[in-house]
Amino acid sequence: QKEVEQDPGPLSVPEGAIVSLNCTYSNSAFQYFMWYRQYSRKGPELLMYTYSSGNKEDGRFTAQVDKSSKYISLFIRDSQPSDSATYLCAIAQGGSEKLVFGKGTKLTVNP
Amino acid sequence: DTGVSQNPRHKITKRGQNVTFRCDPISEHNRLYWYRQTLGQGPEFLTYFQNEAQLEKSRLLSDRFSAERPKGSFSTLEIQRTEQGDSAMYLCASSSQGLGTQYFGPGTRLLVL
Repeated sequence: QKEVEQDPGPLSVPEGAIVSLNCTYSNSAFQYFMWYRQYSRKGPELLMYTYSSGNKEDGRFTAQVDKSSKYISLFIRDSQPSDSATYLCAIAQGGSEKLVFGKGTKLTVNP
Repeated sequence: DTGVSQNPRHKITKRGQNVTFRCDPISEHNRLYWYRQTLGQGPEFLTYFQNEAQLEKSRLLSDRFSAERPKGSFSTLEIQRTEQGDSAMYLCASSSQGLGTQYFGPGTRLLVL
């Protein structure tokens, strides 16, 4: 079983839609949860960082963590064509600097 | 300084040649990381430095790979005797706080022919 599972998509939505992106993980030792956005041929860009169960909001983005289910989500409200990118979840254990990434979900927002 | 920089951005080499990549982190970031990303996959951790000390290394980092950060500022990643399976994007990241707050550079895309 992979440490992090993420549906690669692709996911295509109309502009203005609410997007839900998800990852599951297998090891309850993971404590830190991140979402990165990666445009084609660019490096990943940190979007959200959280270490507790619950919701964290930043503008149109909401990160949700459910440690009991080992499930993390990223919601994008009022999606824009500029949100079209690959979204990567990443997790880390306490005491390690190593990030474990999902495969990424490719999102296209159509105008 | 607006972010992590990496050079070269692209490298094409023949199998068996050695290559070296450079990463300049965000100023005053004491933590530096190398990852490798292949097509359709997320980045995979290779190694981590705090200042000049290499503190974590992945089993992916075979004996053909070596990374240095001699003065705790820029870092180099060298691949000796390149193989076609080394073709990937090599990403560098830096952080001042560790854990999730890693900021990535644009990557060096390597193609081994």
